[in-house]
Amino acid sequence: GQSLEQPSEVTAVEGAIVQINCTYQTSGFYGLSWYQQHDGGAPTFLSYNALDGLEETGRFSSFLSRSDSYGYLLLQELQMKDSASYFCAVSGGYQKVTFGIGTKLQVIP
Amino acid sequence: DGGITQSPKYLFRKEGQNVTLSCEQNLNHDAMYWYRQDPGQGLRLIYYSQIVNDFQKGDIAEGYSVSREKKESFPLTVTSAQKNPTAFYLCASSPRGQGSGEQFFGPGTRLTVL
Repeated sequence: GQSLEQPSEVTAVEGAIVQINCTYQTSGFYGLSWYQQHDGGAPTFLSYNALDGLEETGRFSSFLSRSDSYGYLLLQELQMKDSASYFCAVSGGYQKVTFGIGTKLQVIP
Repeated sequence: DGGITQSPKYLFRKEGQNVTLSCEQNLNHDAMYWYRQDPGQGLRLIYYSQIVNDFQKGDIAEGYSVSREKKESFPLTVTSAQKNPTAFYLCASSPRGQGSGEQFFGPGTRLTVL
């Protein structure tokens, strides 16, 4: 089976940097994705790591270590609009995708 | 515009009734997924389909059924056997083969069973 762990809540100050960690256990691993979901909305894709290392997309970066079954999402220059839930998700065999419980990020002035 | 549509946005049903949630995509994606989300919770996989006329159970398939007769459509039926069906239901699709990282989500349907 597949299971993921991520913190349930994180609070950070506007303009700061925040890191959201994700550890996973899975049988069959193809990659780790990150999604953002605002209250009442649908998840939107942020990034995907299939190989070890850092992927950067604007203010967001994502890191993967396959040997440690670990990844993180890094948000820089935090803005109030970044307040949302962030989910890590593992792509496994047969295109099955399993999501973590989500981390609720609150950005404060 | 290309995308995924789910209808209706809000749905109310009486206990004991079956209800079918619609999901349509015009992105030409092969894979489609149904998730359930409860308040303050993550997304739990109900069913997924890699190709037309084929689908697999996810982690919480009991009380649900699906069909995949067309590439564009993946309807989900919530049966009376589902003990606690009130939830936010999300449909998603994926463009690439095995291990694809990006899923495109529809706006979701909020189902309330009275």
